[in-house]
Amino acid sequence: AQSVTQLDSQVPVFEEAPVELRCNYSSSVSVYLFWYVQYPNQGLQLLLKYLSGSTLVKGINGFEAEFNKSQTSFHLRKPSVHISDTAEYFCAAGQGGSEKLVFGKGTKLTVNP
Amino acid sequence: ETGVTQSPTHLIKTRGQQVTLRCSSQSGHNTVSWYQQALGQGPQFIFQYYREEENGRGNFPPRFSGLQFPNYSSELNVNALELDDSALYLCASSVRQGAGETQYFGPGTRLLVL
Repeated sequence: AQSVTQLDSQVPVFEEAPVELRCNYSSSVSVYLFWYVQYPNQGLQLLLKYLSGSTLVKGINGFEAEFNKSQTSFHLRKPSVHISDTAEYFCAAGQGGSEKLVFGKGTKLTVNP
Repeated sequence: ETGVTQSPTHLIKTRGQQVTLRCSSQSGHNTVSWYQQALGQGPQFIFQYYREEENGRGNFPPRFSGLQFPNYSSELNVNALELDDSALYLCASSVRQGAGETQYFGPGTRLLVL
């Protein structure tokens, strides 16, 4: 069964510092990978997704992620974070067509002044 | 704003009761998926509806059921509520594309079972 592992449950950083949120997936078939952000008391908002092609994917709010097939990873990065980036971030994987998304447990990013 | 709305926002029920949660998808979205997000966890897939038919189900018992209507609205019904059903319930709508479609999530309904 497909699974998604987010290696860090909490990541504290200072404002304007770079950040990397790690995500690994397990699958023997092609996957589609997503990063979603959840602000307090809100639903999920798509940051970016990887379907195929270039392994570096750029998303909204200055985030980007790199797909690494050999390491089965899809880490999310931002070169300089803002206080407003404080939220929970979820990595998810889908397979094939319009199927379920399998989510990781989330990483809580806290940006301190 | 994703254009997906859910009602109610919060709900309190007691064990054994039944509950209906509602979702209004984006116009034109023919697929709706429901997820359960327990506190401190990632969302877990409950089931998906495509053109009003169930199209895939996660590891949830039959007391979780759903409906999708032609007007882009849908329902999640849970019978015989248990304490562990307390969670945030999210619906997500999408357009079937065959590969890696984006699911647009609503704000969720927070259910508390006492």
